Amino acid sequence: EDQVTQSPEALRLQEGESSSLNCSYTVSGLRGLFWYRQDPGKGPEFLFTLYSAGEEKEKERLKATLTKKESFLHITAPKPEDSATYLCAHRGSTLGRLYFGRGTQLTVWP
Amino acid sequence: SAVISQKPSRDICQRGTSLTIQCQVDSQVTMMFWYRQQPGQSLTLIATANQGSEATYESGFVIDKFPISRPNLTFSTLTVSNMSPEDSSIYLCSVAEERAYEQYFGPGTRLTVT
Repeated sequence: EDQVTQSPEALRLQEGESSSLNCSYTVSGLRGLFWYRQDPGKGPEFLFTLYSAGEEKEKERLKATLTKKESFLHITAPKPEDSATYLCAHRGSTLGRLYFGRGTQLTVWP
Repeated sequence: SAVISQKPSRDICQRGTSLTIQCQVDSQVTMMFWYRQQPGQSLTLIATANQGSEATYESGFVIDKFPISRPNLTFSTLTVSNMSPEDSSIYLCSVAEERAYEQYFGPGTRLTVT
């Protein structure tokens, strides 16, 4: 069964302490690996899409990478405003359908 | 990216009643989806809303419980029928263009069933 698994479930970082979130996937024929940020009480906000191993994308303090088995979301020198739940998802065989992991709840304290 | 709004933003409903949630997009989009996010859980796809035809439901979701309409390329509704406390969730609509692949989400509707 195709699925994505995220770790850790929760992560607490001090401001400026860089770290990585993991999304491992067992998907036959990956059609896209997606990263979203979700703040409490809001809908997910699109961050990145990765399609092939070796691909990298960056946005401010965030950098997403993809290998043949997993994706990492690297957070460099995080700030308290980076606190959120980060979700990864893979796209199903039917165009547009996304299947989400359970997320990593990130807390950055000053 | 498209601007997506949902109504209502939240509601408290009694067991056995139904609630219709609206999703409005500020531009025409090819694809619209409905998701459910139960407390403390991730998102689960309910169905794909197809313009001019019946929605395509995921395993575990049926049309009698979650009827969906999509009369045009900017609007869709999801009805949660004969509600029970287990239906208490956040319901989210999302949109995507067929070629763009990126999917954008509305702000969600927080439903509490008592």
